[in-house]
Amino acid sequence: KQEVTQIPAALSVPEGENLVLNCSFTDSAIYNLQWFRQDPGKGLTSLLLIQSSQREQTSGRLNASLDKSSGRSTLYIAASQPGDSATYLCAVETGNNRKLIWGLGTSLAVNP
Amino acid sequence: KAGVTQTPRYLIKTRGQQVTLSCSPISGHRSVSWYQQTPGQGLQFLFEYFSETQRNKGNFPGRFSGRQFSNSRSEMNVSTLELGDSALYLCASSPHLSRGLGSGADTQYFGPGTRLTVL
Repeated sequence: KQEVTQIPAALSVPEGENLVLNCSFTDSAIYNLQWFRQDPGKGLTSLLLIQSSQREQTSGRLNASLDKSSGRSTLYIAASQPGDSATYLCAVETGNNRKLIWGLGTSLAVNP
Repeated sequence: KAGVTQTPRYLIKTRGQQVTLSCSPISGHRSVSWYQQTPGQGLQFLFEYFSETQRNKGNFPGRFSGRQFSNSRSEMNVSTLELGDSALYLCASSPHLSRGLGSGADTQYFGPGTRLTVL
């Protein structure tokens, strides 16, 4: 059974710091891994999608990597800003029914 | 273009009652998906409607049901509420049918959610 874990559950950093959020999954048979951002009262926003054949994806200050064999992904945020404060969720798409399995998220606070 | 709207935003009910949540998708979108989010279980896919037909369904009991109207607006109903139904219910819309059980989240537009509290 596929399980997705995100560590740490919460993180507080000063503005300008580079940071890494971690996501691990138990079954390497995935179609893709996705990173989302959730802002209270504003819903979810897709950040990056990495196909199983890819190693990384970049969007602006965000870089996500995927190591399928070890069941790990990292989301790297460069030069963090207070506007980056949100909960970051990762999810893997898996199985014949293309089910998306979600982690519980990492709550990030970037302090000015 | 207006985003996905959900009403009501907050709701308090007691055990045994039923509740109906509403979702208005982005204009032109034909797919509406519903998700339940709790601190312990995280996000879980409930179901997806496309052109008024339920196309995908997650692993939830029959107390959870939904429908979609001809204008793509969707409602979700939960009958005989239990304490464990307390959650944030998210709706998401997309122009396209998703690949599977919630797998279209990367191309969906999410609403702000309805916070349901069951006492």
